[in-house]
Amino acid sequence: AQSVAQPEDQVNVAEGNPLTVKCTYSVSGNPYLFWYVQYPNRGLQFLLKYITGDNLVKGSYGFEAEFNKSQTSFHLKKPSALVSDSALYFCAVRDLNTGGFKTIFGAGTRLFVKA
Amino acid sequence: DTAVSQTPKYLVTQMGNDKSIKCEQNLGHDTMYWYKQDSKKFLKIMFSYNNKELIINETVPNRFSPKSPDKAHLNLHINSLELGDSAVYFCASSQGLTGELFFGEGSRLTVL
Repeated sequence: AQSVAQPEDQVNVAEGNPLTVKCTYSVSGNPYLFWYVQYPNRGLQFLLKYITGDNLVKGSYGFEAEFNKSQTSFHLKKPSALVSDSALYFCAVRDLNTGGFKTIFGAGTRLFVKA
Repeated sequence: DTAVSQTPKYLVTQMGNDKSIKCEQNLGHDTMYWYKQDSKKFLKIMFSYNNKELIINETVPNRFSPKSPDKAHLNLHINSLELGDSAVYFCASSQGLTGELFFGEGSRLTVL
């Protein structure tokens, strides 16, 4: 079965420091991977995705993610964190075994950026 | 113009009642979804529709009945509400195999 794991419930970082939110995946075949962000009492917003091609994917708000096939990871990164980046982050994988009509989400990682 | 809009934003009701949530997307997407987010923020897919046709029913109780009158609309009706149904329900849409999901703002259901 396709799945993603986010090993950290929470990540704390000081403003201006680089941040990493971790995600590992388990899929059969090529993975279609996504990152989403959720602010309090809001819906999820798409940040970036990896489908194919360059392993370094750039997305919204200065975020990027690196696809690593050998480590089955897709970590989200940002060179310099902002207080406004504090939110809940979800890694997700498109389940191609169901024709791509299901996206499976990780448990989420709460990011706190301290001023 | 809101891409995916769902109403109502809040529902508070008694056990045993019936309630409906409506969702509309103006993105021209073929695929629409209902997701449930519980109090621990876990997101679980409930249903997936493609061009008005039910594709995924993720072992959801029969009390939940989705309906898609056209590909821009996906509604969710819940019968005989139970305490465990309390959650935030998100509607979403996407296009194609690689398209990202666009989410509505959620409908927070509280069953008393």
